Amino acid sequence: SQQGEEDPQALSIQEGENATMNCSYKTSINNLQWYRQNSGRGLVHLILIRSNEREKHSGRLRVTLDTSKKSSSLLITASRAADTASYFCATDDQGQGAQKLVFGQGTRLTINP
Amino acid sequence: SAVISQKPSRDICQRGTSLTIQCQVDSQVTMMFWYRQQPGQSLTLIATANQGSEATYESGFVIDKFPISRPNLTFSTLTVSNMSPEDSSIYLCSVAGRLNTEAFFGQGTRLTVV
Repeated sequence: SQQGEEDPQALSIQEGENATMNCSYKTSINNLQWYRQNSGRGLVHLILIRSNEREKHSGRLRVTLDTSKKSSSLLITASRAADTASYFCATDDQGQGAQKLVFGQGTRLTINP
Repeated sequence: SAVISQKPSRDICQRGTSLTIQCQVDSQVTMMFWYRQQPGQSLTLIATANQGSEATYESGFVIDKFPISRPNLTFSTLTVSNMSPEDSSIYLCSVAGRLNTEAFFGQGTRLTVV
């Protein structure tokens, strides 16, 4: 069952601006992952943050995790047209067995040139 | 890391027919997962495919509709049976490594039922 909520559902910004997406979940987790999906095809893994971590960086990506609020955010800095995609958070539900991912609803990001 | 080959990449099928989707991994993995993504929606787990045992289905999904095979540690198939237009979706297979490592996804099969 879907447990994640993401906001906003859609985000449109100008190239060069920063984009922030938020994700909330409901159960205890081992980790939270962010994925990108271009044009409804396969998912590309962006970053994984463990439950004992609060912040993680990878290139232009910054992810935060607040387990007390059961929420995470993904920040993309200095956005590019190629960042246009749908972004999903996914958690592995400790209660249901590790490695089974539960996805958020996703954010459709559009970068305008 | 794992490289997953999924086929077909897309298909248009008549209602009432069945389609079998194949997923091949370049390394041996214990668990493989099948997800469905309905148009404009997020991914929902259909089932977990374990080698040597029956697949474990999530709530709302049944074996008669989505039979799964897992003959070895690198291959799995998902069949969408007796299709209706409501089955039009992207179907993705996935494998996961050790705990707290990323999951890998095939490129998906875009199914349209007419």
